[in-house]
Amino acid sequence: AQRVTQPEKLLSVFKGAPVELKCNYSYSGSPELFWYVQYSRQRLQLLLRHISRESIKGFTADLNKGETSFHLKKPFAQEEDSAMYYCALGNFGNEKLTFGTGTRLTIIP
Amino acid sequence: EAEVAQSPRYKITEKSQAVAFWCDPISGHATLYWYRQILGQGPELLVQFQDESVVDDSQLPKDRFSAERLKGVDSTLKIQPAELGDSAMYLCASSRDRDYGYTFGSGTRLTVV
Repeated sequence: AQRVTQPEKLLSVFKGAPVELKCNYSYSGSPELFWYVQYSRQRLQLLLRHISRESIKGFTADLNKGETSFHLKKPFAQEEDSAMYYCALGNFGNEKLTFGTGTRLTIIP
Repeated sequence: EAEVAQSPRYKITEKSQAVAFWCDPISGHATLYWYRQILGQGPELLVQFQDESVVDDSQLPKDRFSAERLKGVDSTLKIQPAELGDSAMYLCASSRDRDYGYTFGSGTRLTVV
């Protein structure tokens, strides 16, 4: 069965400090990992996916198959990064996504 | 920018009543999803359509929930009868075929009293 674990429900970071949002997954097939973000009063939207290997808004995430992790990182937090972040797992051939429970990131000015 | 439209935004209904939600995906998006998000949890897939066909409804409580996408465009999710535990945000999303870039709607927040 597919499972996504985000161990931190809440995370507070000072502006300018590095950010790391943790995500671990369990899946026996070939995983595809995503990060979705929901800013206050906005819709859930795609932040990045591992196959694109691109940096969005300064965020990056590396898929580590050995540790079954896909942590989201940003070297210098900005106030506008405050949001709810969801890690999601999919598999090739099926567009269904399994979401984690989310981490609420708060950037302290 | 194209959006996924959902209505209503909020719905309060009494236990045992029927309730329906509507979703209009982005034009040209063949795949449509209904997700349920209970407070404090991540979205969980209820049903996935490819055009007018159901691809996955394994998590849909079929004794009370039904979903349709008759012409392969907009979709309706119905609950009858509603139970207290159905209180949640119901999210609709769409994507182009085999494109993981989901676009979510703003959701319908259901409260069952």
